[in-house]
Amino acid sequence: EDKVVQSPLSLVVHEGDTVTLNCSYEVTNFRSLLWYKQEKKAPTFLFMLTSSGIEKKSGRLSSILDKKELFSILNITATQTGDSAIYLCAVERTGNQFYFGTGTSLTVIP
Amino acid sequence: NAGVTQTPKFRVLKTGQSMTLLCAQDMNHEYMYWYRQDPGMGLRLIHYSVGEGTTAKGEVPDGYNVSRLKKQNFLLGLESAAPSQTSVYFCASSSWGQGTQTQYFGPGTRLLVL
Repeated sequence: EDKVVQSPLSLVVHEGDTVTLNCSYEVTNFRSLLWYKQEKKAPTFLFMLTSSGIEKKSGRLSSILDKKELFSILNITATQTGDSAIYLCAVERTGNQFYFGTGTSLTVIP
Repeated sequence: NAGVTQTPKFRVLKTGQSMTLLCAQDMNHEYMYWYRQDPGMGLRLIHYSVGEGTTAKGEVPDGYNVSRLKKQNFLLGLESAAPSQTSVYFCASSSWGQGTQTQYFGPGTRLLVL
């Protein structure tokens, strides 16, 4: 059965801390892994990863994929209160299907 | 360019009633999806479409039907609503780029079935 597992389920940090969010997967016919940020409404796209070992970076956020060990991490450095959100990991398989994890809820305290 | 829009934003139904949720996208995307999001369950795929006139079942299709008569619209129907269908429904669309897809989500429809 295809599944995507995220950890931790929730996290509370202080502004300026660095956090690492984890996503492991067991999905047949893997095509890509995506990270999304969800605040009050719709998820918004952060990164798409298709190759192992190549870091994607956007400002204070970065992500990397390990296709051998079947996981990805999302790092956020120098966290700000605006980073508070649910971070979703999704895996795309061939056949145009996406499987989502349950998300990690991040709260950044001033 | 509005992206992905959904109507209505919020709806209350009684058990047994029917309704249709509308999703529209103006990005000329081939693929469209309907998800439901429940606490502790993440996003689960209900149905999806890879092009006008085609639909396919996702992970949790029971109790729902869909239609894609026009490329820009994807309709989700509940024929006889049940309390278990209380959820937040998200529509998404995507297109191919660099050998894979990126999904763009609508703002969601909150449905309460009493």
